[in-house]
Amino acid sequence: SQELEQSPQSLIVQEGKNLTINCTSSKTLYGLYWYKQKYGEGLIFLMMLQKGGEEKSHEKITAKLDEKKQQSSLHITASQPSHAGIYLCGAPLSSGAGSYQLTFGKGTKLSVIP
Amino acid sequence: NAGVTQTPKFQVLKTGQSMTLQCAQDMNHNSMYWYRQDPGMGLRLIYYSASEGTTDKGEVPNGYNVSRLNKREFSLRLESAAPSQTSVYFCASRARPLNEKLFFGSGTQLSVL
Repeated sequence: SQELEQSPQSLIVQEGKNLTINCTSSKTLYGLYWYKQKYGEGLIFLMMLQKGGEEKSHEKITAKLDEKKQQSSLHITASQPSHAGIYLCGAPLSSGAGSYQLTFGKGTKLSVIP
Repeated sequence: NAGVTQTPKFQVLKTGQSMTLQCAQDMNHNSMYWYRQDPGMGLRLIYYSASEGTTDKGEVPNGYNVSRLNKREFSLRLESAAPSQTSVYFCASRARPLNEKLFFGSGTQLSVL
């Protein structure tokens, strides 16, 4: 089965610094989703990537899906305390019937120190 | 627009008790999901329903049953709760399997003593 490995597991950065979170798949990715979770709350959708080489940005967050479609990165520029939380990547198991099932990485816990 | 609504938000059970977690979505989505989230384990899929009338096992289905009551509602039942089922449970839904994001509920924190 497909596994998604996120790195690092946790990250502490000073406000204003840039950071990158990686999500690596054991198999080809048929789409990749990034979510953010604040403690005790549900998951908030950030971005979805579908094609190899695709890059999307929203405010200070940029996500890329590499050409070989087995890795995605999430980059935050000039981090703020509001960026703190747990970031999770998720992906469908396959392009066929398995596309109904989304598997997720274990998450990266981000802390931003003012 | 409420999105995905889960009830209850918190629940404490004794070992062996049963309970049903309720989930409803008002977005006319076809697919619905139940996940559990445990420290260090991330989100794991319990069961999903690709469309009304169908349900399928996910990664960790043992000890659970589900019912897709209608297009809006998807419930998760614990027949005989065990401490290993202490977790945060999330319901989610989406319109189509491809090219559509999952919408998540706010979660149910369940403790089994």
